[in-house]
Amino acid sequence: GQNIDQPTEMTATEGAIVQINCTYQTSGFNGLFWYQQHAGEAPTFLSYNVLDGLEEKGRFSSFLSRSKGYSYLLLKELQMKDSASYLCAVRDRGGSYIPTFGRGTSLIVHP
Amino acid sequence: EAQVTQNPRYLITVTGKKLTVTCSQNMNHEYMSWYRQDPGLGLRQIYYSMNVEVTDKGDVPEGYKVSRKEKRNFPLILESPSPNQTSLYFCASASLQGLEGTGELFFGEGSRLTVL
Repeated sequence: GQNIDQPTEMTATEGAIVQINCTYQTSGFNGLFWYQQHAGEAPTFLSYNVLDGLEEKGRFSSFLSRSKGYSYLLLKELQMKDSASYLCAVRDRGGSYIPTFGRGTSLIVHP
Repeated sequence: EAQVTQNPRYLITVTGKKLTVTCSQNMNHEYMSWYRQDPGLGLRQIYYSMNVEVTDKGDVPEGYKVSRKEKRNFPLILESPSPNQTSLYFCASASLQGLEGTGELFFGEGSRLTVL
């Protein structure tokens, strides 16, 4: 199984940069995912990392270090609409390819 | 439009009254799954299905049943609901190719269930 740890809540200011960390322990790593979930809505896929390094997609970037069991999601030029929960999920080599989700980080963006 | 549809979106029921939450996807996905989401606990998997007539328990299957008679449908059945099953439920689907690749799951809009 996996242990996934992320901060419960973070706050940031509109226009700023915020980094949401995720650490994990897994018996065999096969991918890390970030999802965004606005309150009361369905999670939506943001990113996928399986190799070390930074993946950039517009204002959002995701970083992975497999040796450290660590990832972060970087959000630049924060907007009010970025207020949401950010879910880190990890997939192991168990064969089912099904990700396990962490408890999520609630990000509040202030004006 | 590609989507995962859940019904009902909101339901208040009483202890012991059997209920079914339906889930349907129009993307021809092999994989379907049910999650419950509770404050402070995140998304926890209840049951999943890798294809028609193939279902497996997730992390929290107690008190739930599922069936996968058709590829597009994956209903969640609560035979005798109890108050601790009050939660927000999400259905999700993915193609096996997508699951093995980027792992992207497509979620329904959620069903908020209250058991009194």
